[in-house]
Amino acid sequence: GQQVMQIPQYQHVQEGEDFTTYCNSSTTLSNIQWYKQRPGGHPVFLIQLVKSGEVKKQKRLTFQFGEAKKNSSLHITATQTTDVGTYFCADFNAGNMLTFGGGTRLMVKP
Amino acid sequence: GAGVSQSPSNKVTEKGKDVELRCDPISGHTALYWYRQRLGQGLEFLIYFQGNSAPDKSGLPSDRFSAERTGESVSTLTIQRTQQEDSAVYLCASSLQRGRGQPQHFGDGTRLSIL
Repeated sequence: GQQVMQIPQYQHVQEGEDFTTYCNSSTTLSNIQWYKQRPGGHPVFLIQLVKSGEVKKQKRLTFQFGEAKKNSSLHITATQTTDVGTYFCADFNAGNMLTFGGGTRLMVKP
Repeated sequence: GAGVSQSPSNKVTEKGKDVELRCDPISGHTALYWYRQRLGQGLEFLIYFQGNSAPDKSGLPSDRFSAERTGESVSTLTIQRTQQEDSAVYLCASSLQRGRGQPQHFGDGTRLSIL
């Protein structure tokens, strides 16, 4: 079945540094969704990317969809302690199921 | 309430017992999903329901797992003869409709611990 991979698995940053997580697939991604899960919480929808090469921004967060639709990324500029959590990408595959990547856990040192 | 509600929030039981987990989706959401999340891991799809269509059970790990949904409302996930490897957080999500493009809204999950 489809596999969606995320790297890195963990990332420690100093507050104010930038952070990027990457989502990759060996097959073409269809609709990429990004979710954030705070420690002890549940995943919360952030955004969806549909078009090849699409770029969307939410304040300090920038989401990109690769030209070949094989990868996606989430970049956070000038991290804050409120950014702490695990970021998941997920793809709607041909079976209309949402396949999640393993997530990237972000830790921010104040 | 406005969100997805799951109960119980925590469940501790002995190996071999049956457990039943409940999910109340957001009113009007026709699609409902169950996921399993082991500690420090990603989300593993289990099953989803869309309206009155037959559920997609392709993610259920064994025949000890089953789920039901009454119309477009409450769903229950049942695990029979629980094993220690069933310990995890079980998350329920709902969306406006099945299919691409709809964000999923998650409940707080049920943390299941098998002794």
